[in-house]
Amino acid sequence: QQKVQQSPESLIVPEGAMTSLNCTFSDSASQYFAWYRQHSGKAPKALMSIFSNGEKEEGRFTIHLNKASLHFSLHIRDSQPSDSALYLCAEAYQGGRALIFGTGTTVSVSP
Amino acid sequence: DTTVKQNPRYKLARVGKPVNLICSQTMNHDTMYWYQKKPNQAPKLLLFYYDKILNREADTFEKFQSSRPNNSFCSLYIGSAGLEYSAMYLCASSPGQNQAPLFGEGTRLSVL
Repeated sequence: QQKVQQSPESLIVPEGAMTSLNCTFSDSASQYFAWYRQHSGKAPKALMSIFSNGEKEEGRFTIHLNKASLHFSLHIRDSQPSDSALYLCAEAYQGGRALIFGTGTTVSVSP
Repeated sequence: DTTVKQNPRYKLARVGKPVNLICSQTMNHDTMYWYQKKPNQAPKLLLFYYDKILNREADTFEKFQSSRPNNSFCSLYIGSAGLEYSAMYLCASSPGQNQAPLFGEGTRLSVL
């Protein structure tokens, strides 16, 4: 059965620093991979997704996928207190229609 | 409206009683999902509808039922709630294959 694992479980980052989150998955044949962010009491919201090996940058956020090493990461540059949230990584299966999630990393950005 | 709506936000149920949770979206998304989220655990996919076709995960097959009477609505039904069903239930929808689902804010179910 497919499994997604995230590390670390929680992280405290000073404001302005880089936040780096890691994810390992079990099936390199998955169609796409995504990062979600969930603020307390709110719906999980998709941040970015990627389909093939490589890197993708949007603003302060960069994701990196390496299917050979089954590794997926998210980097947040110039972290802000508003970035404090639960971050979930996910891989798609079922023909790209269903996502399996990791347990998440709780990020706290201290002012 | 580009949101997924879930009702109610909080639900209290008694052990052994049925529970029905409702989800709606008006974005004409072809796929709707139900996830179960417990503290310190990953959101677990329970089932999803692609159009009118229901796909249920093997390990939750007998515990949850669902219906999708039209494109906009999807329900999650628990026939006899047990204490282990206490969790946040997240509904999501997606416009198509390989497109990240959009989530609702969830229904927190407490079974007593």
